[in-house]
Amino acid sequence: NAGVTQTPKFRVLKTGQSMTLLCAQDMNHEYMYWYRQDPGMGLRLIHYSVGEGTTAKGEVPDGYNVSRLKKQNFLLGLESAAPSQTSVYFCASSWRGAPTDTQYFGPGTRLTVL
Amino acid sequence: QQQVKQSPQSLIVQKGGISIINCAYENTAFDYFPWYQQFPGKGPALLIAIRPDVSEKKEGRFTISFNKSAKQFSLHIMDSQPGDSATYFCAADTSGTYKYIFGTGTRLKVLA
Repeated sequence: NAGVTQTPKFRVLKTGQSMTLLCAQDMNHEYMYWYRQDPGMGLRLIHYSVGEGTTAKGEVPDGYNVSRLKKQNFLLGLESAAPSQTSVYFCASSWRGAPTDTQYFGPGTRLTVL
Repeated sequence: QQQVKQSPQSLIVQKGGISIINCAYENTAFDYFPWYQQFPGKGPALLIAIRPDVSEKKEGRFTISFNKSAKQFSLHIMDSQPGDSATYFCAADTSGTYKYIFGTGTRLKVLA
């Protein structure tokens, strides 16, 4: 079991460029999440999905879009990157969304927007 | 009301000492409080969690103490080891929301 994997690990973008971050999980989890981690801010939820074909906004959704076309994949898109989106992005998944279901995190993607 | 306030921001402890990290919340609807541990370059991983119907939960050297009336909970790491050096996040959740609210993190360094 690879668990939760993220692609790419690092990326540098110029302002206005677009990109897609890919998250994949092989645990047959229903729920998937995208967080961003910034110094002194902790982890903040961007978008989440409660099952294939569904998405919902989290705490900081502006400037991001997501898609969950397959149960095992959750894509995070930046249509027009801004320097404020420089961050480390983490994907997570859980079997169900009930609080007691552990969220398993991927290794992260470090994104720099110049 | 959705915030979870975590302190201290950083902590240095001698090997064998006790590390204590505190979190406070306002939303009384929170009913699940996990702690996550994150090593440099890695994603966070669940360390230990508690529900508000108990005042303490212990797993090995790690203990969560929960004070419902004060709306505070804390992580105690007994006999701290250099391998415990990591960033620790508290979090809170409400049944049915599927959304953790994370604290801002505490960077722990245990000196050998």
